[in-house]
Amino acid sequence: RKEVEQDPGPFNVPEGATVAFNCTYSNSASQSFFWYRQDCRKEPKLLMSVYSSGNEDGRFTAQLNRASQYISLLIRDSKLSDSATYLCVVRGNTDKLIFGTGTRLQVFP
Amino acid sequence: DAGVIQSPRHEVTEMGQEVTLRCKPISGHNSLFWYRQTMMRGLELLIYFNNNVPIDDSGMPEDRFSAKMPNASFSTLKIQPSEPRDSAVYFCASSTTRNQPQHFGDGTRLSIL
Repeated sequence: RKEVEQDPGPFNVPEGATVAFNCTYSNSASQSFFWYRQDCRKEPKLLMSVYSSGNEDGRFTAQLNRASQYISLLIRDSKLSDSATYLCVVRGNTDKLIFGTGTRLQVFP
Repeated sequence: DAGVIQSPRHEVTEMGQEVTLRCKPISGHNSLFWYRQTMMRGLELLIYFNNNVPIDDSGMPEDRFSAKMPNASFSTLKIQPSEPRDSAVYFCASSTTRNQPQHFGDGTRLSIL
């Protein structure tokens, strides 16, 4: 079983739609959680950290469920520029980040 | 502010040749990470350093791979001899402390023929 699992997609949604991605992790001792965004042929970039109480950044909302060991990302009012691969990232009790293989989002006009 | 700087951006070479990838982390960052990304396996951690000391190299595929960090502002990842299956994008990332997010360089796109 992979340490971090994501649905690879692609998710094809129209502009303005709301879309949600889920991610599960296997290590119950994991301590930090992030969503990264990666555009085609570019480097991963931090989108947002995920906090236990859930957090929001503009159109993006992240949730963490420690009991079920899953993380979610909700994107409201999708824009064409949101098209990218979204990487779920988990850190255990070391400096190592474990990346999921990503969920591809394609927003169409 | 300068981000993580990697060189070269692209490398094409024949199998058997030595390949050296370079990374300059963000100034003041104490941790440096080397990753490899392929379509099949996604983003994999190869090795990371804390204060120039290798902490975990369990992701290094085999003895053909080696990494060094002689000082706080420079690291190399070397492959010798290179093989076609080493073709991938290699990213370097750095962070200030263990709990801070990592910042990635632009990557080196490596093709071994």
